[in-house]
Amino acid sequence: SYDLTQPPSVSVSPGQTATITCSGDKLGNKHVCWYQQRPDQPPVMVMYQDSKRPSGIPERFSGSNAGNTATLTISRAQSVDEADYYCQSYDSNTVVFGGGTKLTVL
Amino acid sequence: QITLKESGPPLLKPTETLTLTCTFSGFSLTTSGVGVGWIRQPPGKALEWLAMIYWDDDKHYSPGLKNRLTITKDSSSNQVVLTITNLDLVDTATYYCAQRPVGIRGTAFANWGQGTLVSVSS
Repeated sequence: SYDLTQPPSVSVSPGQTATITCSGDKLGNKHVCWYQQRPDQPPVMVMYQDSKRPSGIPERFSGSNAGNTATLTISRAQSVDEADYYCQSYDSNTVVFGGGTKLTVL
Repeated sequence: QITLKESGPPLLKPTETLTLTCTFSGFSLTTSGVGVGWIRQPPGKALEWLAMIYWDDDKHYSPGLKNRLTITKDSSSNQVVLTITNLDLVDTATYYCAQRPVGIRGTAFANWGQGTLVSVSS
């Protein structure tokens, strides 16, 4: 089965840049999306097709995907960005989620 | 406006069968490229994809759960149903349905329901 690996936690100071990675075999050959999940809320898609932002997602959010690693970058991090983030891709008719990264802004 | 809402029993016993219904509005499951998926999340744990059904009735399942899952659609009623047989305590989770829209390469879920918590307990 295909696996996506994320760091369990990332910390960032307010106003600084947060980088969350997602690793998988030849991930750069696949499309990756990212979800933000605040406590007791459903996930919200914040990035799709590696680097496209859905309507309503701040420009502070950006994405990239190359080689074996996809990256979600949050510039000028704010307290409202504190949440769990999940990457997701697709392989052989199977949807795969990463294990999630808890972003702390402090 | 696209909305999805999950419904199902809140409490079941081990070995029983869970039937979940996703009722949606704002899109049609007869539109080429559209899909609806089910994803679950045990308390305090990560998201886990379960199944997917597309506008053309193509169906895909999580390999590890494939033998226990069945996904169907009723496009005229705007509903997708997921059944999970032979429940175990580890199936306790919040179950989400989500829409895969047209125009996105690969599979991504642009719209999610609020989720429904299902507990399995003896």
